[in-house]
Formats: sequence, structure tokens, C-alpha cells
Amino acid sequence: GEDVEQSLFLSVREGDSSVINCTYTDSSSTYLYWYKQEPGAGLQLLTYIFSNMDMKQDQRLTVLLNKKDKHLSLRIADTQTGDSAIYFCAEDRYGNNRLAFGKGNQVVVIP
Amino acid sequence: KAGVTQTPRYLIKTRGQQVTLSCSPISGHRSVSWYQQTPGQGLQFLFEYFSETQRNKGNFPGRFSGRQFSNSRSEMNVSTLELGDSALYLCASSLGLEDTGELFFGEGSRLTVL
Repeated sequence: GEDVEQSLFLSVREGDSSVINCTYTDSSSTYLYWYKQEPGAGLQLLTYIFSNMDMKQDQRLTVLLNKKDKHLSLRIADTQTGDSAIYFCAEDRYGNNRLAFGKGNQVVVIP
Repeated sequence: KAGVTQTPRYLIKTRGQQVTLSCSPISGHRSVSWYQQTPGQGLQFLFEYFSETQRNKGNFPGRFSGRQFSNSRSEMNVSTLELGDSALYLCASSLGLEDTGELFFGEGSRLTVL
């Protein structure tokens, strides 16, 4: 099947904003998710957005959803060194207990 | 409350052997999903169990199997190991209801096949 697409690498200076983009595949997906994976760890859910919303803000995180283009983005304001990780977008293409993940986007925060 | 616990964290096997990985979900969670993570293929869904029944299955060969016990703990088994089975195997638990589908992941079991 089609893959959820993400760009691979982003470096950002501490204090700047980071934007990570994702193109998902199924317009009927109900929820879209952003997960974070730190080295040697499992995945941690950062935030999710319901498909009938355009935007969701949660503290330093802002999720934008363009359903027409199937484009999802995550903006991290005031990026900190603890934000260095791999970020995965995911969609519940097959149901909410079977997610389809992108390949991930590695974010490196430079002090 | 305790998170998702996976054991073992690391293991090394040789081709042809079999391996069993264990996952203890968060207390009260009835759904356990398994994912394989490799650098080339990323995160791929293996299967999901809910109340001891396999509810969803990904596109993996029959060498990959799993089960869930009455206490919601789950095991997955890979038989006749191949080099390409080297991966991080992640388990995730959830309530299993039709809601936001938040998955809570364990730290994974890293399998190396020699």
C-alpha cells in the first residue's frame, strides 16, 4: 500500500521553532497522531488531531491538518535540547489499534 | 501506574532458532499491539490482541505469531529466524475501545539474528 511520507532530518537551534511535515494516505483516517521516540526508548504519544479539525494547540505544540492535501504538520515552539528525537506521524488507516506510521523525522537541536 | 513492560530488552539468536518476546500492558488495558521497527521498513504492524483474541493482523509470514493471556499479557513468537528479522519489536497497549486510540508503547525488545 501507499506509505505515509515524512522528510528525514531536521536540525534546529535551541529556542527556534521546528516544523515537521507529513503526508498521509487515507482521507478516511479519523485521527492523525504525532509520536516521539528518544534514543533507546519506545514511542511516546505527543498529540493527536481529529480529522474534522484544522488545528490543535497544546502548549509548545501546534498541529495543522490540511485534509484536502492530506498534509499534517507539527510545529514545536521554543525548541529545547530535550526535543531532540525522532518524530513519527501516524494515521488510523485500518482502525485505531492498527496505526500506519511514517518513516520518521529526526530532529537535532543545536545548543 | 506502571507502564508497558517488555522482556527481554536485548537478545541475540542465530538463524533457524525461535524466539519468544513478552509484553505486560498497563493495568486495565485490554488491547496489546505489536510492531516491528527496522531502519529500512520503519514501523510495521504485526498484530493486535484484545481480550485474548487476535483482532487485527498485519502482512507478516506465518512464522510470526502471538497470543494473549487472560491477564492481558501478551507474547509474540518468531520461528525459524532469518537475518531480516533483526529489529526492535515494540509492544503497545491501550484500552482497546473505539476512541482516540492512544497507544502506550514499551521500550521494545531488540532482537539481533546472526
